[in-house]
Amino acid sequence: KAGVTQTPRYLIKTRGQQVTLSCSPISGHRSVSWYQQTPGQGLQFLFEYFSETQRNKGNFPGRFSGRQFSNSRSEMNVSTLELGDSALYLCASRGQGMYPPLHFGNGTRLTVT
Amino acid sequence: AQKITQTQPGMFVQEKEAVTLDCTYDTSDPSYGLFWYKQPSSGEMIFLIYQGSYDQQNATEGRYSLNFQKARKSANLVISASQLGDSAMYFCAMRHTGTASKLTFGTGTRLQVTL
Repeated sequence: KAGVTQTPRYLIKTRGQQVTLSCSPISGHRSVSWYQQTPGQGLQFLFEYFSETQRNKGNFPGRFSGRQFSNSRSEMNVSTLELGDSALYLCASRGQGMYPPLHFGNGTRLTVT
Repeated sequence: AQKITQTQPGMFVQEKEAVTLDCTYDTSDPSYGLFWYKQPSSGEMIFLIYQGSYDQQNATEGRYSLNFQKARKSANLVISASQLGDSAMYFCAMRHTGTASKLTFGTGTRLQVTL
């Protein structure tokens, strides 16, 4: 079974631009969540999508948004980029069951200059 | 609010030795779950082991075991017979009540396995 796939692996953007990151979950997984990882704040939950609906949201400004498609693939968008948005963005999917573990992708490393 | 504390920023262990990575947590929820993840330099977070708050026995997965002490609110990861490939960052995490996807992570411990 293929794992979680995130594209692109690396991105360099300029302040004020917007960016879209993509995530394909493990086949059969309907839940996709996003995390931001920075040296200063560590790993922080952004949001979760399940069956195209946002289920949970972390404490991030409205510039961070996401969506999920009918095939469970998900995209995350960050508008009006700031230097502090430079981070590793990790996507994770999970299967059914009581409390299945999250399976993470390799991440997208975003650098804002 | 939930909190995970990992007090060891870095650890060294010799190959084939066992090592314990510390994790303490704080929550007022009676039902919770604790995870350990490994993050190599490639960036991917790899699930290692899970312990539910109501599980009667400590979780084990191959060379990984979780020393769960509920009264002390600790969930230490024990890696037996360390291998060079175990060198990585290790994160302890707790899931929030009612959700399996929203995790609170600790700051991590960097483990270096030496010859």
